[in-house]
Amino acid sequence: GAGVSQSPSNKVTEKGKDVELRCDPISGHTALYWYRQSLGQGLEFLIYFQGNSAPDKSGLPSDRFSAERTGGSVSTLTIQRTQQEDSAVYLCASRGGTGNTIYFGEGSWLTVV
Amino acid sequence: EDQVTQSPEALRLQEGESSSLNCSYTVSGLRGLFWYRQDPGKGPEFLFTLYSAGEEKEKERLKATLTKKESFLHITAPKPEDSATYLCAVWGSGTYKYIFGTGTRLKVLA
Repeated sequence: GAGVSQSPSNKVTEKGKDVELRCDPISGHTALYWYRQSLGQGLEFLIYFQGNSAPDKSGLPSDRFSAERTGGSVSTLTIQRTQQEDSAVYLCASRGGTGNTIYFGEGSWLTVV
Repeated sequence: EDQVTQSPEALRLQEGESSSLNCSYTVSGLRGLFWYRQDPGKGPEFLFTLYSAGEEKEKERLKATLTKKESFLHITAPKPEDSATYLCAVWGSGTYKYIFGTGTRLKVLA
């Protein structure tokens, strides 16, 4: 696609439910990142994929968070047993070729009530 | 550990009043310093990548400069549509992560 695509744009879920957030990176981009942005906070690194592998998942806050990437393209971030503190914008970014720049999607706004 | 500090946190300018935003950083082996613009409810929009001290890049009313310790985003004769949060990030060698500052919220008044 022309840009990084994320879905859903907005998600309201009840505490304790599981949610899945999807990211479709720019076509041909092999590197994919997930970041989290809480209200008034900076961007917090969650996980990095190169192809289908995740060499760095050090930013995942707890074992309730997991992510996978298939076919070197689409990635899914799953949050199990959501808590109110999980409410945030989840941003996906991708990088391709020899460039060093990452390009972001519009984010998935998650509200846990 | 790589770090990024942006100042000021917030800035109000009159239309046409030029100013600069600061991004101070410490990084091991700079692989790039990045500026993004973020509008409310949107993802960060890429503006510039700088790689080495002395480098400058321009786009419309924006100009980004880089030294070994900081980067400036100069805004010349800003317009209300330049109002946004401006984010700075670095990528250092030996890590996969991009480290972001907390941003400068810019408001340009007509």
